[in-house]
Amino acid sequence: GAGVSQTPSNKVTEKGKYVELRCDPISGHTALYWYRQSLGQGPEFLIYFQGTGAADDSGLPNDRFFAVRPEGSVSTLKIQRTERGDSAVYLCASSSSGGTQYFGPGTRLTVL
Amino acid sequence: RKEVEQDPGPFNVPEGATVAFNCTYSNSASQSFFWYRQDCRKEPKLLMSVYSSGNEDGRFTAQLNRASQYISLLIRDSKLSDSATYLCVVPTRGGYQKVTFGTGTKLQVIP
Repeated sequence: GAGVSQTPSNKVTEKGKYVELRCDPISGHTALYWYRQSLGQGPEFLIYFQGTGAADDSGLPNDRFFAVRPEGSVSTLKIQRTERGDSAVYLCASSSSGGTQYFGPGTRLTVL
Repeated sequence: RKEVEQDPGPFNVPEGATVAFNCTYSNSASQSFFWYRQDCRKEPKLLMSVYSSGNEDGRFTAQLNRASQYISLLIRDSKLSDSATYLCVVPTRGGYQKVTFGTGTKLQVIP
């Protein structure tokens, strides 16, 4: 079956701009996670959804970051007023109720 | 102690060698652990889960030592295709269905 998909695969933007990153989880997976990975580091937790609600957003670095999952499936990570330090690979993963997390290919964000 | 700690490596080993990585964790209440493999510029993929004392899958063996709070990954008869970064994953303290990734250990298998 189809795995987790993420779009776009690459995004280049200018400092101060707004970006949206999309994640389409595996069908039927109720849990969805967003991570950020910088070079040489492991994925860093940002936010976790169970269904439509954000069960834990403690990893969001500041209020420029926001994520939604309005229908309990597709999720969008939104970053306002991007900064150069936001450059990283943003990974999405989904799982069925606490099971194994399956990752998408990621979106590589570059802020110039 | 950090939630998860790994030696970043790199570990450079010849083909056919046996190599082992350790990962220490701080949350003594953790029940399940995972090893993920990540190839360069690719997403992490689950390699093995560890729920009790250990798990074996072909050339790969994962072991858990609760008393010392570490898990290990042993790779026997290393192949060139084993070259990757191996990420240790443990449940986050106080987090339901939330995990913490280590920084990863890089393995390079040399011909």
